[in-house]
Amino acid sequence: GDSVTQKQGQVTLSEDDFLFINCTYSTTTYPTLLWYVQYPGQGPQLLLKVTTANNKGISRGFEATYDKGTTSFHLQKASVQESDSAVYFCALVDRPGNYKYVFGAGTRLKVIA
Amino acid sequence: GGIITQTPKFLIGQEGQKLTLKCQQNFNHDTMYWYRQDSGKGLRLIYYSITENDLQKGDLSEGYDASREKKSSFSLTVTSAQKNEMAVFLCASSIGAETLYFGSGTRLTVL
Repeated sequence: GDSVTQKQGQVTLSEDDFLFINCTYSTTTYPTLLWYVQYPGQGPQLLLKVTTANNKGISRGFEATYDKGTTSFHLQKASVQESDSAVYFCALVDRPGNYKYVFGAGTRLKVIA
Repeated sequence: GGIITQTPKFLIGQEGQKLTLKCQQNFNHDTMYWYRQDSGKGLRLIYYSITENDLQKGDLSEGYDASREKKSSFSLTVTSAQKNEMAVFLCASSIGAETLYFGSGTRLTVL
């Protein structure tokens, strides 16, 4: 079945550092790929979404590129702030209209001021 | 905008107890979901309901029941609480299969 892998359980950075969170996926289709962010005490919220029609998603300074060749969807940000501390989930939906999202295990980002 | 309200925020139960979690949304979304969040395991789908009066099992439905009482509300019942079920349960809603909007969760602890 479909799967999403986030190998980094936790990432600790200082403010203004570059952020890179690894995400790879496995599916037989060309899925929609998403990043959700969960701030402390809140539910996850959509950060960005990319379909096969548009290879890159950009939101709030974060960007992720859909790479079909390496089946990756890494999340990047040039300069993190303490307010970016949260858990980041990569997810996929294998086809339009499918209600079953597949989520990765999540990467906890801690940014030290 | 809208909001998803989950009650209670914290739920403490005894092993073997039947426990019910509630969710209300005022987005007027057709579809609602229950996910379970365990540390290091991401979010796993328990049940979802595409429209009022519909109920679909997710990958983790064993040990749970769900009920879509009306368009705005979706309940989840843990039929017999087990110690290894300490987790956060997240309710979500969406228009069709589009963007999920999540509540802030119910944290379950089983003694």
